[in-house]
This record gives sequence, structure tokens and C-alpha cells, in this order.
Amino acid sequence: QVQLVQSGAEVKKPGASVKVSCKASGYSFTDYYLHWVRQAPGQGLEWMAWINPDNGDRKCAQEFQDRVTLTRDTSITTIYMELRTLRSDDTAIYYCARGSPMGDRHPSDHWGQGTLVTVSS
Amino acid sequence: DIQMTQSPSSLSASVGDRVTITCRASQGIRNYLAWYQQKPGKVPELLIYAASTLQSGVPSRFSGSGSGTDFTLTISGLQPEDVATYYCQNYDSAPRTFGQGTKVEIK
Repeated sequence: QVQLVQSGAEVKKPGASVKVSCKASGYSFTDYYLHWVRQAPGQGLEWMAWINPDNGDRKCAQEFQDRVTLTRDTSITTIYMELRTLRSDDTAIYYCARGSPMGDRHPSDHWGQGTLVTVSS
Repeated sequence: DIQMTQSPSSLSASVGDRVTITCRASQGIRNYLAWYQQKPGKVPELLIYAASTLQSGVPSRFSGSGSGTDFTLTISGLQPEDVATYYCQNYDSAPRTFGQGTKVEIK
């Protein structure tokens, strides 16, 4: 079965960076885009970015373009999202989610369990 | 960027009621509209895609309609297990924006 397993909770100080991982299994890793979505406490869902695990192409929402780096390691079917220059309002649960198969459009049908990132001095 | 606007932001209804949530896109997105359900403390789950196609395993009391800019999620016969926040999402283009959510409670 499709599984997305994310790394554990993190506590960071303002100005620091955090790197969250998402390991995919149960399907062909390079056949589907993967997305990052975050949710601040008590707030709604915010789409951040996608990565094409096949060729590494990526796209970020404009508000994250200067602070987010997306990478992947196909040998271990894992993607990474690094967020730099953390602020208190980056405190949120960060989700990875499987998106479209290549050459098609489809929403996110499988989600990771979420990674809580807390930014606090 | 395409903005997604949901209404209402919250609602309270009785068990068995018909519940309707609307979602409006700031520009046309054809039928590339998804609905998600997020129960308290849980991960979002895909309910409907392509505006009206039920994801496998979703009860038939859920239905979706619309195309272009105006979309609707309907729960025909609200059940206690439907207490959740519902989000629409544009997946026609990036950024794949979400609506702000509609919190559904039981009266």
C-alpha cells in the first residue's frame, strides 16, 4: 500500500533552518509528483511546493521561493524540504502528499503523517 | 495566483440534514477541483476530485458539482462522523491553493 512516512518533530530557534524528510513506498517513486503542504495551529491548509521525483524539477509558492529548498534521493525514495530563516509564524505541521501521476492532473490522494515544526526562542 | 473562497466558514446542522458548502475560484479551473475532509487532529483525506468524482471508499452521501469557477460540496444526510473541516483545492495549476476551510458541527 502507498505510504509516506515523515521525519519526527523539530524544535528550532528563530533564524535557524529545518529539514523535513518524507519517505515514499508502495508505488513507483518516480511516477508521481510529491507536494508539501503546511498547517499552522488552528489554521487552514497552505500549499507550499511540489517536486518531480523523476527529474528534480520543482515549483514553490511565491512566498516560499527564497527560503525553501526541495531535494530528492531516488535511491531511498525520499524527498526533503528545507526551510531557512525560520520565524515564529513558520510553526506548523508540515505534510508531504502524493500528487499527480506524470502527464496527468490529480489531487493529493495520500498524505504523510505530518511533522510538527515549532519555532521558539 | 488563483484564489479559492469557501462559504460558509462554519456551520452547525442536525443529524440527517442536507449540508451544502460552496467554493469559488477567482478564475476558471475547469473541473480540477478537489474536496478534502480533515477530522480534528487527523491528516486531511481526499473526498472528491474532478469536481464530482467520489474517491474510493467515500460514502455516497457526499457529492460534488460545478465547473469553471463555482463548485459545491453536498452532504445528503449529515452523520456524527462527518464532523470535520472541509477544504476545496484548485489543482489546475500551481500554486495549488486551498480554500480557507468550512468547519461542520452537529447542532
